[in-house]
Amino acid sequence: NAGVMQNPRHLVRRRGQEARLRCSPVKGHSHVYWYRQLPEEGLKFMVYLQKENIIDESGMPKERFSAEFPKEGPSILRIQQVVRGDSAAYFCASSPPGGLGLAKNIQYFGAGTRLSVL
Amino acid sequence: AQKITQTQPGMFVQEKEAVTLDCTYDTSDQSYGLFWYKQPSSGEMIFLIYQGSYDEQNATEGRYSLNFQKARKSANLVISASQLGDSAMYFCAMGERIIQGAQKLVFGQGTRLTINP
Repeated sequence: NAGVMQNPRHLVRRRGQEARLRCSPVKGHSHVYWYRQLPEEGLKFMVYLQKENIIDESGMPKERFSAEFPKEGPSILRIQQVVRGDSAAYFCASSPPGGLGLAKNIQYFGAGTRLSVL
Repeated sequence: AQKITQTQPGMFVQEKEAVTLDCTYDTSDQSYGLFWYKQPSSGEMIFLIYQGSYDEQNATEGRYSLNFQKARKSANLVISASQLGDSAMYFCAMGERIIQGAQKLVFGQGTRLTINP
């Protein structure tokens, strides 16, 4: 079984451009999470989506950032008008539908997209 | 809100020795889960081990075991017989409930483990 697939692995953008990060979850997983990792820090939650629904976007910056998980195709994290402070590693994780109880719902991560803003 | 603290920014260990990576947590929830992930220099996040707050036994997965002390709110990762390939960043994380069946992970700052030959 394929794991979580993220692309591109590396993305370079100039200030003001748009960045689109893609995530295909593990087959059969309906929950997608996005996290951001700044250099030498732990990951910080951004957004949680199910198919066609944003469930929790409490970690998303209020402007320029958006996420979607359409019925068909990968989840997309979009950053408009990027600034240098957006440079980070962005990770996608997926988990199966809940049913094992809250706690043991393991999230499996992709390899991340490293965004560099020049 | 959940909080995870990893107090060891870096650790150096000789190959074949056992190593303990510290993790303390803070939560008001009665039921929760604790996770450890490994991040090698290539950057991916690899799930290692899980411990549930109501699990009666400490979790083990191969060379990894979790020293779970609920009263002290600690969930230390123990790696036995360390190998050069264990050199990586290690993150402790805790689940924070979003809705039934879904949780966001709250991560610590990580510990960089270096295994010396």
